[in-house]
Amino acid sequence: AQSVTQLGSHVSVSEGALVLLRCNYSSSVPPYLFWYVQYPNQGLQLLLKYTTGATLVKGINGFEAEFKKSETSFHLTKPSAHMSDAAEYFCAVSVQTGANNLFFGTGTRLTVIP
Amino acid sequence: DGGITQSPKYLFRKEGQNVTLSCEQNLNHDAMYWYRQDPGQGLRLIYYSQIVNDFQKGDIAEGYSVSREKKESFPLTVTSAQKNPTAFYLCASRVGQSSYEQYFGPGTRLTVT
Repeated sequence: AQSVTQLGSHVSVSEGALVLLRCNYSSSVPPYLFWYVQYPNQGLQLLLKYTTGATLVKGINGFEAEFKKSETSFHLTKPSAHMSDAAEYFCAVSVQTGANNLFFGTGTRLTVIP
Repeated sequence: DGGITQSPKYLFRKEGQNVTLSCEQNLNHDAMYWYRQDPGQGLRLIYYSQIVNDFQKGDIAEGYSVSREKKESFPLTVTSAQKNPTAFYLCASRVGQSSYEQYFGPGTRLTVT
């Protein structure tokens, strides 16, 4: 079975500081990993994804994430936080099955302090 | 513009009434999904459908029903049997078997009093 753990339900950073949102997954087969962002009262928007190939993936809005198989992690980073980054972020995992369903973490709310 | 539309954005109902949430996509995606979102709990899968006229229960299907008569439409009915229906409901779609990422609609916030 697949699962995702996001460490820290709330993270606060100062504007211009490094953003680090943690995600660990559990999967018995090679996973496909995703980060989504959600602004208040809106749907989820795909930030980036890892399927195969290069383990460092770049996404929209300056975010990137690195797949580390040995650590079963897929942490999301951004070198310099912007006020517009304040949102909730969800990590998700999928594996190649008939349904290809996504399993989501419980989310991390990012606050950016001016 | 291709995308997923959910209507209405906000919905209010009295306890004991069934209510249907709309989800339409013009992306020509095969698979569609319904999720429920509650604070601090992430997204939980209610139902999903991989092809027309076929759907499967997710993790929390009790008190909900769906239909998939057309590729572009996947309505969700919240029945009076759902004990805690107040939540944010999200619809999503996926291209097909070879893809994994899902694309989400803007959501419907249902409040039942």
